[in-house]
Amino acid sequence: DGGITQSPKYLFRKEGQNVTLSCEQNLNHDAMYWYRQDPGQGLRLIYYSQIVNDFQKGDIAEGYSVSREKKESFPLTVTSAQKNPTAFYLCASSIGDRVFGYTFGSGTRLTVV
Amino acid sequence: EDKVVQSPLSLVVHEGDTVTLNCSYEVTNFRSLLWYKQEKKAPTFLFMLTSSGIEKKSGRLSSILDKKELFSILNITATQTGDSAVYLCAVERTGNTPLVFGKGTRLSVIA
Repeated sequence: DGGITQSPKYLFRKEGQNVTLSCEQNLNHDAMYWYRQDPGQGLRLIYYSQIVNDFQKGDIAEGYSVSREKKESFPLTVTSAQKNPTAFYLCASSIGDRVFGYTFGSGTRLTVV
Repeated sequence: EDKVVQSPLSLVVHEGDTVTLNCSYEVTNFRSLLWYKQEKKAPTFLFMLTSSGIEKKSGRLSSILDKKELFSILNITATQTGDSAVYLCAVERTGNTPLVFGKGTRLSVIA
């Protein structure tokens, strides 16, 4: 079955540690996205990538980094520079020219203690 | 700056009630407006609207777009507890750019 897989579902980390969230898709989608969701805030864009080896900052990129070495994979690293990293992180993908019908992963809930 | 504003931010209704969720937008290069339902994790697609005045319907849910006044509504009739969720509105722009999301409306339906 085609889909988009995020792992892990839950992640606990100590303050000051970097952590990497995985996002893999087998839909052959060109574009991939990372969103952060906090209560009452909707989805806020962190980074997105439209093609391999290229990515752009979103609205809240500070404290995060990404890579897009393969079409299928778009990992997100939450660095120690991110002041308030506890949140729900959603990855999505879409066919390049039209973003209608984003396919979302099931999310990773990151808690920093 | 492009923005999408949803109202109300939260709503509590009784089973059987009809609810209307609102979404207004100010974006450049509008292409379409989308509604999603998010229960626990991944948002699921409900509707995509591109033309004004044409109602889209799926069971008890319906939605319509007004491109002149720059808003959309999502109606849910005869609500059920299973309708409890966050409803997200998003706008697609031309130029292969990411969706812009509103903050969502949290709907709680109580028996």
